Amino acid sequence: AQKITQTQPGMFVQEKEAVTLDCTYDTSDQSYGLFWYKQPSSGEMIFLIYQGSYDEQNATEGRYSLNFQKARKSANLVISASQLGDSAMYFCVGRDNNNDMRFGAGTRLTVKP
Amino acid sequence: EAQVTQNPRYLITVTGKKLTVTCSQNMNHEYMSWYRQDPGLGLRQIYYSMNVEVTDKGDVPEGYKVSRKEKRNFPLILESPSPNQTSLYFCASSYGLGSYEQYFGPGTRLTVT
Repeated sequence: AQKITQTQPGMFVQEKEAVTLDCTYDTSDQSYGLFWYKQPSSGEMIFLIYQGSYDEQNATEGRYSLNFQKARKSANLVISASQLGDSAMYFCVGRDNNNDMRFGAGTRLTVKP
Repeated sequence: EAQVTQNPRYLITVTGKKLTVTCSQNMNHEYMSWYRQDPGLGLRQIYYSMNVEVTDKGDVPEGYKVSRKEKRNFPLILESPSPNQTSLYFCASSYGLGSYEQYFGPGTRLTVT
């Protein structure tokens, strides 16, 4: 069974600075998918970015990029130029070959003005 | 507007009283799933469905039932709720598997006393 680990329960970042949220995955599947979702205090789940294990380039979506290191089994989310609206809970999610979707415990990001 | 709707949004009930949380999507998605969110545990998958009449157990299916008689609807049934099922529940849907992101409903906060 796969496992997703987010080791940072909480993170702080100064507005306009970049921040990296860590995620490691543990699976024996060769083909694997990783997602990041944002959950603001209002509660909704917002899709941010996706990386497939066979994708050669790191995924980017606007201010979000995914630092994917297959050898380390890590898929860290990088948010550039943090904004106050980025304050939220962030979840790393893995999807394996059995279509099992596994969420990490989440990282609460607080952006300071 | 493309969306996933859940009803009710909030529910307080008593142990043993059967309840159903409805989920509906208007995007013609094939894949639908249910999650529960508990503090410190992220979201855990309860059941998922890859198409009409096809459902599979997720990580924590005990105490829950689902059905998929129509493509758009995926109700979650608690036949005999217990206090340990007090949680925040999310329904989600996607076009399919692989790289497709999931669209989440607004969540249903259930309290079982």
